[in-house]
Amino acid sequence: QSALTQPASVSGSPGQSITISCTGTSSDVGGYNYVSWYQQHPGKAPKLIIFDVTYRPSGVSNRFSGSKSGSTASLTISGLQAEDEADYYCSSYSSSRTGVFGTGTEVTVL
Amino acid sequence: EVQLVESGGGLIQPGGSLRLSCAASGFIVSDNYMSWVRQAPGKGLEWVSVIYSGGSTYYADSVKGRFTISRDNSRNTLYLQMTSLRAEDTAVYYCARDSNNGWHHLYWGQGTLVTVSS
Repeated sequence: QSALTQPASVSGSPGQSITISCTGTSSDVGGYNYVSWYQQHPGKAPKLIIFDVTYRPSGVSNRFSGSKSGSTASLTISGLQAEDEADYYCSSYSSSRTGVFGTGTEVTVL
Repeated sequence: EVQLVESGGGLIQPGGSLRLSCAASGFIVSDNYMSWVRQAPGKGLEWVSVIYSGGSTYYADSVKGRFTISRDNSRNTLYLQMTSLRAEDTAVYYCARDSNNGWHHLYWGQGTLVTVSS
């Protein structure tokens, strides 16, 4: 149950697009289409923004999109806004019937 | 409206036990998959445990044999019984209502802080 690998930080200017990667193995990210992404602002609970690799919950901005290739999933934020500044975590189901989160990425809006 | 309210956190000595509660409203706990997720101070999220609607339970290796997830249908409440606590169990513990199709945490509580220290 090793954590999925994410870049520690990603930054971008308002209006730009950024992409956060999430690398796992064939036992988790690569083996199932059960990758989800969470946004967490300081002192707050996480919020689901992407599930099942590409789907957005109702009410989540369409500026957030997800994808997957092999054992690496990605979250893209387009039209970056100041309110997008937060920590982002990926998550996946794993073959041991457990869950695993990514190491987390701090997004900074310059 | 879905609401999850955790309680039971606090300061506990190493080796001690604590039971966390997560009171749910707006849905039926026993009809849903429910998880516990924790976050050590300044660190990332760590999945802890899940209980399926059918009652099956699963745990992270880091807590297996020490933590027990359960639910009380009459109280519509989720629990996490924690024993043999260690300093590395210090974290904010969140309960979450999960999707019954797939693997994602739909709704989260506000969390309860557990501090393991002498």
